[in-house]
Amino acid sequence: NAGVTQTPKFQVLKTGQSMTLQCAQDMNHNSMYWYRQDPGMGLRLIYYSASEGTTDKGEVPNGYNVSRLNKREFSLRLESAAPSQTSVYFCASSETYRVTEAFFGQGTRLTVV
Amino acid sequence: GDSVTQMEGPVTLSEEAFLTINCTYTATGYPSLFWYVQYPGEGLQLLLKATKADDKGSNKGFEATYRKETTSFHLEKGSVQVSDSAVYFCALTDNSGGSNYKLTFGKGTLLTVNP
Repeated sequence: NAGVTQTPKFQVLKTGQSMTLQCAQDMNHNSMYWYRQDPGMGLRLIYYSASEGTTDKGEVPNGYNVSRLNKREFSLRLESAAPSQTSVYFCASSETYRVTEAFFGQGTRLTVV
Repeated sequence: GDSVTQMEGPVTLSEEAFLTINCTYTATGYPSLFWYVQYPGEGLQLLLKATKADDKGSNKGFEATYRKETTSFHLEKGSVQVSDSAVYFCALTDNSGGSNYKLTFGKGTLLTVNP
């Protein structure tokens, strides 16, 4: 009963490096999301995928790209990391894009130095 | 656009005290309202929800009532425990049209309960 699984849990990058955050869900959900959490800011939506094969920008998409690899997996890529991308990243999923309940992973704490 | 405003805290209470965390919202149309809880080192978990006016969501002793007239969804618990120490987020989805794909969150309220 894993739910939403994110890897890695922690990562330190140097400015300009790239990396991909992985997310997988085992609940057969159609919709998946990437949020970032910053102190005093709540959670802000980066990208979402309403269904397999579609992706759309959220509130703060600049500097990120996503791939909905299949129904289970939704990855977030930082092409050239910047210190402003230091944050905690959460992946979430819901049964459909009409969110009645979202399930969250445990988060990835990313530091860009 | 949609927004959620909640007590910023931090809130520190003694065990068995009464808890209220205020939440008000702005939305186009008729939102669904949620409280999420984040325990230390973990992701967010849904605590309770309400989908229409005057609905009361409840779970684990927590309650919140959807008040359309005051655009509020305040979280309450009659007697808190040390294990309730966490960050609490109020959130909404707007069901009026194209924005119901995303949760709009408040900034979160850190609750610490001391024995």
